[in-house]
Amino acid sequence: AQSVAQPEDQVNVAEGNPLTVKCTYSVSGNPYLFWYVQYPNRGLQFLLKYITGDNLVKGSYGFEAEFNKSQTSFHLKKPSALVSDSALYFCAVRAHSGNTPLVFGKGTRLSVIA
Amino acid sequence: EAGVTQFPSHSVIEKGQTVTLRCDPISGHDNLYWYRRVMGKEIKFLLHFVKESKQDESGMPNNRFLAERTGGTYSTLKVQPAELEDSGVYFCASSPLGTSGRRSYEQYFGPGTRLTVT
Repeated sequence: AQSVAQPEDQVNVAEGNPLTVKCTYSVSGNPYLFWYVQYPNRGLQFLLKYITGDNLVKGSYGFEAEFNKSQTSFHLKKPSALVSDSALYFCAVRAHSGNTPLVFGKGTRLSVIA
Repeated sequence: EAGVTQFPSHSVIEKGQTVTLRCDPISGHDNLYWYRRVMGKEIKFLLHFVKESKQDESGMPNNRFLAERTGGTYSTLKVQPAELEDSGVYFCASSPLGTSGRRSYEQYFGPGTRLTVT
């Protein structure tokens, strides 16, 4: 069975500092990995994905994530946080084959303080 | 192009009543998914349509939930009768079916319907 763990309910970071939101996963075979963001009163927005290829994936709004197969991790990062990055972040995994559903972590609330 | 839309944005009903949620996927997207997030928990899969057919309904919690996608366009999710534990945010997502070598991997989500059962 697939699963995703986001060990931090809340991450606080000062504006301008680097941020990391952690995600580890468990899946049979090669994973498809995703990060989504939910701003207040909005739906989930796709940020980035890892399918294959380079382990460092770049996405929207300056975010990137690093796929680490040995550690089964896919941490979300940004070199310099903005107050507008404050939101709820979800990591998700899908099995390699088919149009299968996403399995989500419980989300991490990021708060960027000016 | 228009994104995934959901109606209503918020519904408050009493236990025992019926509620119907609607999702309009992105035009041309054959895959349609329903998910639910109970407060503070994971977003959990409910079911998956490919066109008008139910591909996977393993996440449906019980037979009080009925989903339809007549004609393979919009979908409805009916809860009848509603219970307190059904409260949460119901998300709909869609994606293209994709052809060999051009499979779209990400799903596009709607804004969600917040259901409150009192």
